[in-house]
Amino acid sequence: GQQVMQIPQYQHVQEGEDFTTYCNSSTTLSNIQWYKQRPGGHPVFLIQLVKSGEVKKQKRLTFQFGEAKKNSSLHITATQTTDVGTYFCAGPMNTGNQFYFGTGTSLTVIP
Amino acid sequence: GAGVSQSPSNKVTEKGKDVELRCDPISGHTALYWYRQSLGQGLEFLIYFQGNSAPDKSGLPSDRFSAERTGGSVSTLTIQRTQQEDSAVYLCASSFRTSGRGSSYEQYFGPGTRLTVT
Repeated sequence: GQQVMQIPQYQHVQEGEDFTTYCNSSTTLSNIQWYKQRPGGHPVFLIQLVKSGEVKKQKRLTFQFGEAKKNSSLHITATQTTDVGTYFCAGPMNTGNQFYFGTGTSLTVIP
Repeated sequence: GAGVSQSPSNKVTEKGKDVELRCDPISGHTALYWYRQSLGQGLEFLIYFQGNSAPDKSGLPSDRFSAERTGGSVSTLTIQRTQQEDSAVYLCASSFRTSGRGSSYEQYFGPGTRLTVT
């Protein structure tokens, strides 16, 4: 079946280090969204990428959508303790209205 | 304005009992999604509604699960004859509408209902 995988599953970094999570889909996605879930919280929307090869930046966060629209990445520069949480990619499948979330990458930032 | 609300926030039930989980989406949002999240795991898509219609129910884990939405607003997820493996956090999300022209809409999540089946 259709799957959206993320690596790594867990990442521990020292505060100030960079962090990257990778998202890979078994099928082409019309778009991809990224969400952040803080410990004990619910997912919160970060961004959506639609175009092949698209790159978007939000302060220290850089999001990329692959040329084939089957993979994406989130890169955080100089992590801070406020970046702690689980980052999920998500994309619509089939008719475009079923939303599948990636397996998530849990980020721990060590002060 | 008010966000997505879910009730109850916590539910403990005995194996074999039925439970009903409620979701109140953001006013004006026509799309509504249900997900399940087990401890430390990702989000498992269950079902979505566009208005009151659920075009695809294939994400529901078994025929013990059902969902409905009335008046294009409140949705209920019902689990019959609960099993221990049903224990999880059930998340509801709403968006302005479902996708169109290759683009989707931001989903706003509720706080979830933590279901524990003993």
